[in-house]
Amino acid sequence: KNQVEQSPQSLIILEGKNCTLQCNYTVSPFSNLRWYKQDTGRGPVSLTIMTFSENTKSNGRYTATLDADTKQSSLHITASQLSDSASYICVVSSLVGAGNMLTFGGGTRLMVKP
Amino acid sequence: KAGVTQTPRYLIKTRGQQVTLSCSPISGHRSVSWYQQTPGQGLQFLFEYFSETQRNKGNFPGRFSGRQFSNSRSEMNVSTLELGDSALYLCASSLASESYNEQFFGPGTRLTVL
Repeated sequence: KNQVEQSPQSLIILEGKNCTLQCNYTVSPFSNLRWYKQDTGRGPVSLTIMTFSENTKSNGRYTATLDADTKQSSLHITASQLSDSASYICVVSSLVGAGNMLTFGGGTRLMVKP
Repeated sequence: KAGVTQTPRYLIKTRGQQVTLSCSPISGHRSVSWYQQTPGQGLQFLFEYFSETQRNKGNFPGRFSGRQFSNSRSEMNVSTLELGDSALYLCASSLASESYNEQFFGPGTRLTVL
C-alpha cells in the first residue's frame, strides 16, 4: 500500500529560527515528490517538485531534499517568518495508467511565534 | 491569469440530500482533480478528469461522482449525503497529468452535513 508519513505532526518555533520537516514514503512506482504549503482555510500551494534524479531544490527560504534510495525527503525553512505558519504537506506522485496518482502525507502543522 | 475557482465556497446540507460542487480550472488546463480534506484523514484523492474522461479514481463509494465539460470545467456530485461527508473539497488543475505537471489548487468548498 502506498503511504507517505510526515514528522513531526506539529511544530512551534520562534520567528527567525530554522526548522526541518521530514517525509518518508513507500510509493511505487515513484514519479516525483512535491511539498505544498497550506494556509488555514485555503488550498495548498506548491513549493517544490523533485523528480528521481534531483537531490535538492530551493524556493526562496524553502529548501527540499530528496534521497530516493532511502525514500526520504526533508523541507528546510530558513529564517522563519510569521507568515510561514501553515500546514506543510508532502505528496508523492506515481504514474498510473495514463495519469498521475497522488499520495498525500498527513502534513506538519507549523506555528511561528514572535 | 485567473486561478482555479470553486463554487460555492460554503455549503450546508442535511443528511440524505445531494450536492453539486463546481470547479473552473486555469485557462488552458485540461486536467482537473478532486480531493477531500478532513482533519482525521487529511487529503484524499477522489478522481481526475482529462478531456472529459475520468482517468483515475480513488477509493470512494459510488455516491461520489464527477464529470468534466468540453471547456474543462468540472463538477462533483455527492448523493445521499452522510455526516462523514463534511469536509473541505478541493479541486486542482494542471496542463495535463503527465509527470511533473504542477497542480494548482482552488480555495475549496467547505461542505457541512447536518
